[in-house]
Amino acid sequence: RKEVEQDPGPFNVPEGATVAFNCTYSNSASQSFFWYRQDCRKEPKLLMSVYSSGNEDGRFTAQLNRASQYISLLIRDSKLSDSATYLCVVTLNTGGFKTIFGAGTRLFVKA
Amino acid sequence: GAVVSQHPSWVICKSGTSVKIECRSLDFQATTMFWYRQFPKQSLMLMATSNEGSKATYEQGVEKDKFLINHASLTLSTLTVTSAHPEDSSFYICSARTGIGNQPQHFGDGTRLSIL
Repeated sequence: RKEVEQDPGPFNVPEGATVAFNCTYSNSASQSFFWYRQDCRKEPKLLMSVYSSGNEDGRFTAQLNRASQYISLLIRDSKLSDSATYLCVVTLNTGGFKTIFGAGTRLFVKA
Repeated sequence: GAVVSQHPSWVICKSGTSVKIECRSLDFQATTMFWYRQFPKQSLMLMATSNEGSKATYEQGVEKDKFLINHASLTLSTLTVTSAHPEDSSFYICSARTGIGNQPQHFGDGTRLSIL
């Protein structure tokens, strides 16, 4: 089992749609959680951190469920510019900090 | 805040050339820097982790004599691809992190390396 698993993609949605990405992690020692987006042929960019209390940034909402070891990202009112690959990232401490990137889920938003 | 600059953005050179890539944290001190490579449509692959003033820790399968990493200061790390060959052509991306290990990494713009 992969340490961080994401929904297989790609997701193809129309503009204005709501889309949800799911991510699960296998190590209960995981400490911090992030969502990044990566555009084609570009570097990953931090989208938001994820907290147990949930956090929202405009159209984006991230949730963490530690009991289920599950992370989600919800995008409301999708824009064409949201088209990208979304990476679920987990950091754990096993005697030293290690950051694990999910394989990413590709999103295509179409007009 | 948390800006990471990577230079150069593009490199095209002949086989056998050594190529040096710089990664700088512009507005924070990076206690740890990471080097990744990424092939088209594939995931990021961590090559090595470096802490300022100490030797880099390489991932399994990454040749340390091929990919020389230097992290001489809290704001600069360099990756040198020695005697590059066409199979080394890839997208190389650095990232930097400050403070304790559960903080997010911030990425440079990446360097697209093409070896002819």
